[in-house]
Amino acid sequence: EIVMTQSPATLSVSPGERVTLSCRAGQSVGSNLAWYQQKPGQAPRLLIYYASTRATGIPARFSGSGSGTEFTLTISSLQSEDFAVYYCQQYSSWPPWTFGQGTKVEIK
Amino acid sequence: QVQLVESGGGLVKPGGSLRLSCAASGFTFNDYYMSWIRQAPGKGLEWISSISYSGPYSATYTNYADSVRGRITVSRDNAKNAMYLQMNNLRGEDTAVYYCARVVAWGGFDPWGQGTLVTVSS
Repeated sequence: EIVMTQSPATLSVSPGERVTLSCRAGQSVGSNLAWYQQKPGQAPRLLIYYASTRATGIPARFSGSGSGTEFTLTISSLQSEDFAVYYCQQYSSWPPWTFGQGTKVEIK
Repeated sequence: QVQLVESGGGLVKPGGSLRLSCAASGFTFNDYYMSWIRQAPGKGLEWISSISYSGPYSATYTNYADSVRGRITVSRDNAKNAMYLQMNNLRGEDTAVYYCARVVAWGGFDPWGQGTLVTVSS
């Protein structure tokens, strides 16, 4: 099983700021990494796949980078609707598909 | 549009059983792997089961997380565009929102249903 580790657990950010979230895989997953956004009371929504490809309808302020074991999700200018929990997920080796524990982006 | 709708959650006593359903629409259901993913209250996401696409000349494959193997069974009915999760011998730690999700070609999950809450408590 590939363990995914996200950091930090919580980020306190002001609207308009640039945000960088990190995800580390326990072994190389190549570029087989996705990012999801989850708002309270809602299902997760796909943001990024293949580490850097934005899903349909996702604003350009969201970008992903990395390969192997180190990945980053960047929000260039945080909007009010971006306050949420973000999860990374590997699909290089499954089953099981594995998720990071999440990073909560909260209002500062 | 592509849509997944779960149902069947509720309150069940420890040791009890429950059957969840996932109704799919807006895509060719037969062509996709499907998965169940759960989220305990205040916790992260845990994949628990998947089922392969199936057809008249191909077998159906299932996978389970270690945490649930032997207690749950996933199935699908392509004629009804539906997936099911039969859960037996439920425990308190199975309390969670259960999501169904389509497994897309590149290997991740999109979209997800809205989820159904399962509460295991006496």
